Amino acid sequence: DAGVIQSPRHEVTEMGQEVTLRCKPISGHDYLFWYRQTMMRGLELLIYFNNNVPIDDSGMPEDRFSAKMPNASFSTLKIQPSEPRDSAVYFCASTDRTGFVSGNTIYFGEGSWLTVV
Amino acid sequence: GEDVEQSLFLSVREGDSSVINCTYTDSSSTYLYWYKQEPGAGLQLLTYIFSNMDMKQDQRLTVLLNKKDKHLSLRIADTQTGDSAIYFCAESEGGSQGNLIFGKGTKLSVKP
Repeated sequence: DAGVIQSPRHEVTEMGQEVTLRCKPISGHDYLFWYRQTMMRGLELLIYFNNNVPIDDSGMPEDRFSAKMPNASFSTLKIQPSEPRDSAVYFCASTDRTGFVSGNTIYFGEGSWLTVV
Repeated sequence: GEDVEQSLFLSVREGDSSVINCTYTDSSSTYLYWYKQEPGAGLQLLTYIFSNMDMKQDQRLTVLLNKKDKHLSLRIADTQTGDSAIYFCAESEGGSQGNLIFGKGTKLSVKP
């Protein structure tokens, strides 16, 4: 199993540019999560999907952030326009119904390290 | 809202035991978790404990849960340099297991 795959692993962009982060969940998983990790705030849940439908997006910081899941094997997190305070590591994670209920089989990707200058 | 607190740093010598502590606020959490993050990598579930247990042992790892005080600890016996990482305590928000609330992480440094 390839695990959760995220791209890009690292991105440096200028303020004002659009950033798109991508995630491929583990095959068969129908829950997908986007988390953000910063030194100041730690790990925060931004949004999660079930069967490609956004269930809880209360963690999305503001309108500059949007997330989509057009199919079961792909999700994007977009920031437009990007700002320096968006610099963070963005993690995607996935699980199935059993994992969602128990929480003990949520698999994380290796993260996308974003720097906005 | 729910909150998870843990100390930010811990330094131990190789071979000693490490104890990482955590306090949480959501009494409805069914499970509590410990995740490990190695440098430049994602989070990996290390172990978890069901809320009706007070101890769980898994090889070198011992998890203690004091539900009354909402205190969770992770003990690593015979700590090795490979254990150097950031350890995150997490609880599930409002019983919804999929929404994990993480602490800020404890950076464990193991000195030879």
